[in-house]
Amino acid sequence: EVQLVESGGGLVQPGGSLRLSCAASGFTFSSYEMNWVRQAPGKGLEWVSYISSGGSSIHYADSVKGRFTISRDNAKNSLYLQMNSLRAEDTAVYYCAAAWGYWGQGTLVTVSS
Amino acid sequence: QSVLTQPPSASGTPGQRVTMSCSGSSSNIGSNYVYWYQQLPGTAPKLLIYRNNQRPSGVPDRFSGSKSGTSASLAISGLRSEDEADYYCATWDDSLSGRVFGGGTKLTVL
Repeated sequence: EVQLVESGGGLVQPGGSLRLSCAASGFTFSSYEMNWVRQAPGKGLEWVSYISSGGSSIHYADSVKGRFTISRDNAKNSLYLQMNSLRAEDTAVYYCAAAWGYWGQGTLVTVSS
Repeated sequence: QSVLTQPPSASGTPGQRVTMSCSGSSSNIGSNYVYWYQQLPGTAPKLLIYRNNQRPSGVPDRFSGSKSGTSASLAISGLRSEDEADYYCATWDDSLSGRVFGGGTKLTVL
């Protein structure tokens, strides 16, 4: 069974940092491109970042470029999102997604003083 | 404002057929596959349609997708109360070098 389990969310002050993790199981993680997608409370889905299966290709949404860093460790079947200089508008549930089909249950990030 | 345009709401009665649209441009829908997701309240999105019109295993054939030019649509036939959810279209945008989503359509089953 495919599983994606996000962790690392929580309450952080504006300007602070958080590192999200996504643990994958049930599929060949190293063969899949991965994405982070977020959803602000009561809002729609917003793509955040993409990383290719081998990690050589990375893309970011303009809203997070220069502040967020995506990475992966294929030996550990894990995906990461380092979030720096957090803003109130970054408050959202963050989902990791494998290719287009598999999604985790999400982890809530709240940026507030 | 989302790159892909979806009507904010749609509705139908049980047994009816409803369709919802997703409009984009040549850099996204016009040149890439379209995906559709269903999101029930408080849950993660679930893939309904991939590569324009393909259904993952387990998705009923009541759900169908199509694409023409820079627009796509999702049709649900034999509407059921459990279909009440938010529906999102998504694709890759070559100009933005990123995945793009529609703003979502909230389906109400009357």
